[in-house]
Order: sequence, then C-alpha cells, then structure tokens
Amino acid sequence: GAGVSQSPSNKVTEKGKDVELRCDPISGHTALYWYRQSLGQGLEFLIYFQGNSAPDKSGLPSDRFSAERTGGSVSTLTIQRTQQEDSAVYLCASSLMAGPTDTQYFGPGTRLTVL
Amino acid sequence: AQRVTQPEKLLSVFKGAPVELKCNYSYSGSPELFWYVQYSRQRLQLLLRHISRESIKGFTADLNKGETSFHLKKPFAQEEDSAMYYCALLAYSGAGSYQLTFGKGTKLSVIP
Repeated sequence: GAGVSQSPSNKVTEKGKDVELRCDPISGHTALYWYRQSLGQGLEFLIYFQGNSAPDKSGLPSDRFSAERTGGSVSTLTIQRTQQEDSAVYLCASSLMAGPTDTQYFGPGTRLTVL
Repeated sequence: AQRVTQPEKLLSVFKGAPVELKCNYSYSGSPELFWYVQYSRQRLQLLLRHISRESIKGFTADLNKGETSFHLKKPFAQEEDSAMYYCALLAYSGAGSYQLTFGKGTKLSVIP
C-alpha cells in the first residue's frame, strides 16, 4: 500500500508568516510522529499522536508550534510567526501502534525555508 | 534523559573493505536500538533493530550493554551502501508513548 505522504515537499516563506505542513500516515496506523531535522543536526522529536490525542508534546520548541490530528488520520503541523531558525526538514512518521515493537515508517519530509 | 552519540560525521571506506559505524547510547532503562538509513533522494527507512538479531543487506549490529554501544558492521562494503546512517534509541517517554531519539548520523561513502 501507499507509504506516509507529506505536503508540500518544499515550502519557502517569509519570516513572520504562518505555515501549515501536512502528513498522511499509512492507513490503519494509529500512532503518528513529527520530527525536525535541522542542518547538521540529527532528527529531533517534536510531537506524538495516538489516535487524535497528543499525549506527548514535549518536543515542541515553542508555543509557536502546534499540531493536530483529525479522524485518526491526517495531521497538520502549524508554525506561527516563522523565524529563520525554523528552517529545517520536517519529517512525519507513523506506526501501527505506539509500542516498542512497532516500526516507524517515515514520509519524504517537507523542506521549510524561512527567508 | 536518553542520548545517542555517533562520533563520526563522515566515514569513507574502499569497496570491499570492512565497515563499522559507531553508536553509543545513554539510557537508564532497557534499551531498544535501531539503525535507520537514508539513501540519496530517498526517505528514511529502518535498516535493522537489535531485538530482531537479523542481518539486513549484509549489515549486523550487536547490542553491548556493558559498553553501551550498538555499532553497525559489514564485512565487505559495497558502493550501494553509500548513504546516511542514523542510530536511534527507543525510550519510554512517560507519557504513554515510546520516543525515538536519534544520533546526528554518519555519512558513509564507499569509494569504488
């Protein structure tokens, strides 16, 4: 079946604007994760969803970042008043469940550039 | 808090030579460790996980709890092994979920 998809693949925005990034997980996967990959850095965990709820928001870097998931499927990550340091590749992953044996499958990412 | 360290940003080896990508971790609980790989212009994908004790594409990795290491090894490197490799640790986050913590990655370049 289809893998995790993300849109847009690239987003260029001006500092101060809001952006929305979208993730479509693999059908039937209940767990969904957002990560950020900044230049020269590893992947940084942002937020995790189990169904539509987000029990772990510990990785969100500031209150400008928020995420939601509806219908247990699509998720959007919103960054308000973007800053240049928000420039990164944002990766989404999904897994069947959220347990230790559930493999996370990654999307292709959205490359965000804040000018 | 958990931590994953990959000391080498870049590793270059000749085709046919052995490869070892180093990974060390810090975690107070029982670790679940993974290697992910990202080939050029492809998405990040799971290469192997320690609980499976499997060999994928000729790669193996053994968890050494005494040395807190999970190094990735392959006896004979191939050109198609050139990629970015990430070591990751799955830890219980205390919020009902397991969180993957990644190292910063090692870029493997196999020289023909």
